[in-house]
Parts: sequence; C-alpha cells; structure tokens
Amino acid sequence: QQQVKQSPQSLIVQKGGISIINCAYENTAFDYFPWYQQFPGKGPALLIAIRPDVSEKKEGRFTISFNKSAKQFSLHIMDSQPGDSATYFCAARTGVMDSSYKLIFGSGTRLLVRP
Amino acid sequence: DTGVSQDPRHKITKRGQNVTFRCDPISEHNRLYWYRQTLGQGPEFLTYFQNEAQLEKSRLLSDRFSAERPKGSFSTLEIQRTEQGDSAMYLCASSGTSGSSYNEQFFGPGTRLTVL
Repeated sequence: QQQVKQSPQSLIVQKGGISIINCAYENTAFDYFPWYQQFPGKGPALLIAIRPDVSEKKEGRFTISFNKSAKQFSLHIMDSQPGDSATYFCAARTGVMDSSYKLIFGSGTRLLVRP
Repeated sequence: DTGVSQDPRHKITKRGQNVTFRCDPISEHNRLYWYRQTLGQGPEFLTYFQNEAQLEKSRLLSDRFSAERPKGSFSTLEIQRTEQGDSAMYLCASSGTSGSSYNEQFFGPGTRLTVL
C-alpha cells in the first residue's frame, strides 16, 4: 500500500516536444508529492512538488497534474530540451502515517530528448 | 555552499570490511534521512533522525548497519562486514520543520559504494 508506481520506464522525445511521466499511488494518507530529477552520478534534485488539495502546479516548463480521486499524478515537461535528459522520479511523502515524513519513490523514468 | 554534503563520494572495499560514510545536512535542518539507491531503481528509505534521535529504521537496515547523529548535526552511516549486495549509492537528505510549508527534502550527491 506504500508503493508508488511510475511509467513509462523510458521515454524518447524530440527537442521541443512534450514529455509526460505518470505515477499512481494507493495510500490516501500520502500528503505531498514531489518530483526529482537525477543526472548520472549525482543525487536527486527537487524539481517541483504538489499537495493533494491542488489539481495543478506550474513552474516554468514543468507542470504537475494531480487527480486525487484517481490517485494519479503526472509530470509534464513542455518544450523539452536536450539538457532535460535525465532520470525523473516521482515520490510520495508518508505524512502523518508515521513520524518520519519519509519519501516513497517510484522506479524512475529515463528521459532522452533528441536534438 | 549551503547544500547537503556527503563524504566520501566513492568507496571501493573488499567483502567483509567495515565502511563509514558521513553526511553534513543543511545547517538549519533538524530532520536527516538516509536512503539507498541501487542501479535503475528509486531511492529506498533506510533511517530517519530528528535532531540526534533516530526515530525510524527500515527493515532494509540489517544489524550490520548502524547510523548516528551526535549533537544533531552531521550523521554517519556504518556498514560492518560488507557484502556484495551492499553495493549501491547511499544518499543523505535533510529537511526542516518550520518555514517552508512543504518541508522539502534536499539530497546530497551520494556515496557510491562498491564491494568487491
């Protein structure tokens, strides 16, 4: 019940296109949903995050869409650039389920943006 | 630089040896987390500190693993009698409990452990 399922596993997009990555969860007690970007050999970097009482959040070219009833959320990268080529992880925070507020991560999506 | 730092960045060791990693969180953050990431997977939670108190440990954290956070500042993660299955990236993250409404977790660059 604490799993976060992420798809697709890999994605190839042309420069200027839209990249879409999807995640689904089961536990309605999750209270915060961040997306992280990770380059090879580096730690994950926080990209954008949303709370479940908001249906959409946009920051620059990055948008999170959140569907609470379906227990799904997605990351949209508009005007994708070769520099966006990285692995993207969705995550869900445990909130009041336990005291740690730990993150449960999806399995990642490797994005390649072709020039 | 005020980000999370980790040391060493890479560690190669032989099976059976002990290793210790260090994490320095963002200075005003009182929550500190350790995660483990294997190739092609997302990070998995290992343990959590609030100030100096270790409040939660994952089942992934066998008794060969021990973590400390003396004085609520930096933290160390020690693995005793390393096994090849311990090879992974060990990530440290920190967050605050006030100010930002999200209390985002910020990650360090990780320590890549290779057990031969």
